[in-house]
Amino acid sequence: NAGVTQTPKFRILKIGQSMTLQCTQDMNHNYMYWYRQDPGMGLKLIYYSVGAGITDKGEVPNGYNVSRSTTEDFPLRLELAAPSQTSVYFCASRTTHNTEAFFGQGTRLTVV
Amino acid sequence: KNEVEQSPQNLTAQEGEFITINCSYSVGISALHWLQQHPGGGIVSLFMLSSGKKKHGRLIATINIQEKHSSLHITASHPRDSAVYICAVSGRGGGADGLTFGKGTHLIIQP
Repeated sequence: NAGVTQTPKFRILKIGQSMTLQCTQDMNHNYMYWYRQDPGMGLKLIYYSVGAGITDKGEVPNGYNVSRSTTEDFPLRLELAAPSQTSVYFCASRTTHNTEAFFGQGTRLTVV
Repeated sequence: KNEVEQSPQNLTAQEGEFITINCSYSVGISALHWLQQHPGGGIVSLFMLSSGKKKHGRLIATINIQEKHSSLHITASHPRDSAVYICAVSGRGGGADGLTFGKGTHLIIQP
C-alpha cells in the first residue's frame, strides 16, 4: 500500500491563480481530511469527508473547495490564491472515527 | 472547542537522556494521538490511546482521563529522535470531524 499520496510536493502560485492539490489513498478509508499547518500553530482543519459524495467545512474553509466523487480521492481546490494561503497542506485519512490517522507527505504552497 | 496545550515548546537534550513531553486538553475526548514530524517531512502516527499506557520500542505514552493530561516519554534518546512531536485529540463524538492539534514540541537530541 502506498498510503496517502499528495501531489505536488511544492508549488509557487501568483496571486489570483488557481490550483488543485491532489490527495489519494489506497487503504479504502472512509474519512478524509485536509489540514493546513502554519509556523508556530497547530494544524487547522479546512474540509473533511466521511464518505464518497459527502463533504463538510472545517475550521478554516474560506477560499477553498473540495469534492469527493470516489472513496480514494479528495482534491482541494484553491480558486483565487491569496498570500494568506501560503502554508503547508496535509491530507489525512482514517478508516472511521477513533482509529489511527494516516497523513500524506504534505504540499508546501507559496503564494506571491 | 477543545484547547490542546503542549509543553515544553522546545527541548534540547543529550543523547541517552530520558525525555518527557506533556499534553493537556480542556474538554473530554474519545481518544488522544501522538504524532511525529521530521523536518520537511510528513506526519507519522506514533500512538492512539484512550486510557492507560502504550509502549512501542523506546516510546511510551500515558494518559490520565480524569486530569485531561497525557505524556510521551522517550527512553535512551538518540539523535534520530530529533523531530516535532504533536499531540492531537478526537472529540467525544469520535472525531469524524477531524482532530484538534497542539502546536507541537520541537525536540533536538545532541550526540
